Amino acid sequence: GAVVSQHPSRVICKSGTSVKIECRSLDFQATTMFWYRQFPKQSLMLMATSNEGSKATYEQGVEKDKFLINHASLTLSTLTVTSAHPEDSSFYICSASRIIPRAYYGYTFGSGTRLTVV
Amino acid sequence: AQTVTQSQPEMSVQEAETVTLSCTYDTSESNYYLFWYKQPPSRQMILVIRQEAYKQQNATENRFSVNFQKAAKSFSLKISDSQLGDTAMYFCAFMKTRDDKIIFGKGTRLHILP
Repeated sequence: GAVVSQHPSRVICKSGTSVKIECRSLDFQATTMFWYRQFPKQSLMLMATSNEGSKATYEQGVEKDKFLINHASLTLSTLTVTSAHPEDSSFYICSASRIIPRAYYGYTFGSGTRLTVV
Repeated sequence: AQTVTQSQPEMSVQEAETVTLSCTYDTSESNYYLFWYKQPPSRQMILVIRQEAYKQQNATENRFSVNFQKAAKSFSLKISDSQLGDTAMYFCAFMKTRDDKIIFGKGTRLHILP
């Protein structure tokens, strides 16, 4: 089955530093990956859509300069939280879709990254 | 814009009982996909079941089945013979055929009681 690996699962960083989160599709190619943010006991909020070889598309209200997304290959997308602040602390989840047919397979999600900024 | 509404924030049922989770959505699209995702305490999102809007037949996956009412824009999930492992947050989700984005409802927290 389709597997998406997300790393790290937990990270604690100091305020003002940057942290990178990786999302890898292990056994399939993903032209599109998605990054979500989830606050405690809330739903997933789509932050951006990551397309291989092109710039990410950010949702309204998401700071593209703070949340840098790179999708350099068909199996890897990265989210870098720059100059992190305590309010950036959250659970971040990535997901990936197979090239075709994406809706049939749905989307495979990574196991998430809990970011704590101190 | 598409919206997904889950009106039950939290539910509890006894093990082995049947439970139905409600979901309504709003869209002007005629072709789309609907999903139910499960997020257990591990927080790993797991696809439970999918439904294609152009198919009238309700999708089933073992103990999980849906009641898809396209005209009413309703997409409920029925879990039969509920098990302790079904305890999780359940999200109803919508995706346009011509789009990549999945729109999630706010979720229903389901507790299966021993």
